[in-house]
Amino acid sequence: AQKITQTQPGMFVQEKEAVTLDCTYDTSDPSYGLFWYKQPSSGEMIFLIYQGSYDQQNATEGRYSLNFQKARKSANLVISASQLGDSAMYFCAMREANRGSTLGRLYFGRGTQLTVWP
Amino acid sequence: NAGVTQTPKFQVLKTGQSMTLQCAQDMNHEYMSWYRQDPGMGLRLIHYSVGAGITDQGEVPNGYNVSRSTTEDFPLRLLSAAPSQTSVYFCASTREGASNYGYTFGSGTRLTVV
Repeated sequence: AQKITQTQPGMFVQEKEAVTLDCTYDTSDPSYGLFWYKQPSSGEMIFLIYQGSYDQQNATEGRYSLNFQKARKSANLVISASQLGDSAMYFCAMREANRGSTLGRLYFGRGTQLTVWP
Repeated sequence: NAGVTQTPKFQVLKTGQSMTLQCAQDMNHEYMSWYRQDPGMGLRLIHYSVGAGITDQGEVPNGYNVSRSTTEDFPLRLLSAAPSQTSVYFCASTREGASNYGYTFGSGTRLTVV
């Protein structure tokens, strides 16, 4: 079973609008961390935002926020006021804390290609 | 600068050739991993290590070998390259412990096997 599911292969948004990128996850570990990475066309992986399973508040980092719905096992990334430079591939990922042999492994979704148009 | 260093950045191999992708980190991270990225597939784990002398297989280990003789280095070996190994390879490292510690990624190696 997929640990991380991103159901949107591609998304389009107009500059200055907000956009939500979906991510659902699957784990039975009570302690886990959720990450979003951005991969621009240059190829590097850029860390954007983190949410811990025990965090009461949704994480925010500048224009990025994470809509964390624990019961639904979803961790959607919200980008406010999109900019042309936000055009990139976005990956959701999860790290489990207490899973024995899988400890320390990072599971990725297949990614969402975001295109911001003027 | 502290971080994860991958070499080479680009490589073209002929089918059947062997090569080693190098990965080094200077953050004293216990965990190191190799991923491959293919279009539409996200990043898939090849091999990982939880410390010097300890390695294990990930999702797609066939055709690759690893070893970890030091904390800093985690090379990935292709023994006999195949066109199916054409991909972008990322090395990543993280600290042992809580799940809130993120991964640091290298800049990637784009490998083409012809």
